[in-house]
Amino acid sequence: SQKIEQNSEALNIQEGKTATLTCNYTNYSPAYLQWYRQDPGRGPVFLLLIRENEKEKRKERLKVTFDTTLKQSLFHITASQPADSATYLCALKGGYQKVTFGTGTKLQVIP
Amino acid sequence: NAGVTQTPKFQVLKTGQSMTLQCAQDMNHEYMSWYRQDPGMGLRLIHYSVGAGITDQGEVPNGYNVSRSTTEDFPLRLLSAAPSQTSVYFCASSTLPDSYEQYFGPGTRLTVT
Repeated sequence: SQKIEQNSEALNIQEGKTATLTCNYTNYSPAYLQWYRQDPGRGPVFLLLIRENEKEKRKERLKVTFDTTLKQSLFHITASQPADSATYLCALKGGYQKVTFGTGTKLQVIP
Repeated sequence: NAGVTQTPKFQVLKTGQSMTLQCAQDMNHEYMSWYRQDPGMGLRLIHYSVGAGITDQGEVPNGYNVSRSTTEDFPLRLLSAAPSQTSVYFCASSTLPDSYEQYFGPGTRLTVT
């Protein structure tokens, strides 16, 4: 069956460092992959989308990579700040299937 | 623009009661969807709509009904609430099909006792 895996353990990093979050998937041929940010008590907010034929996408301090051979996407936040603390969700869309969300990874940036 | 709005923000129901969760968007988006979010699980799609008058089932549709009479509104009806429907419900909209870059509402936290 199709599965999306994000590290369920919280990621704690020091302010100013680069945070790297992982999204692994199985049994998908994804058309694209998205990353969302979710703060407590709020709805997810769209951050970035990367298509199957793209290796990397950047937006300000954010970078997403997509390796369809490894079946993995990495989400990087450079020069992290305490305001980046949140839960980050990845979501895959493949073929005629509807988009499927991972469970999210909680990021805590320590001042 | 208000974006996507949802009401109520919190709701407590007794088993067997029915209610409607409201969702509205003012961005003229054709695509709208309802998700539920439970601890340890990703957002799961309940129902979606690709335009006024067109709805379809998602991954977990049982116990829920939807209709889309206008582009702006997409209400979710719980027919006979069950404790298993205790969850946080999110409505989302997108200008493009296939859930591309969705805008989410603030959510409704529902408890069924």
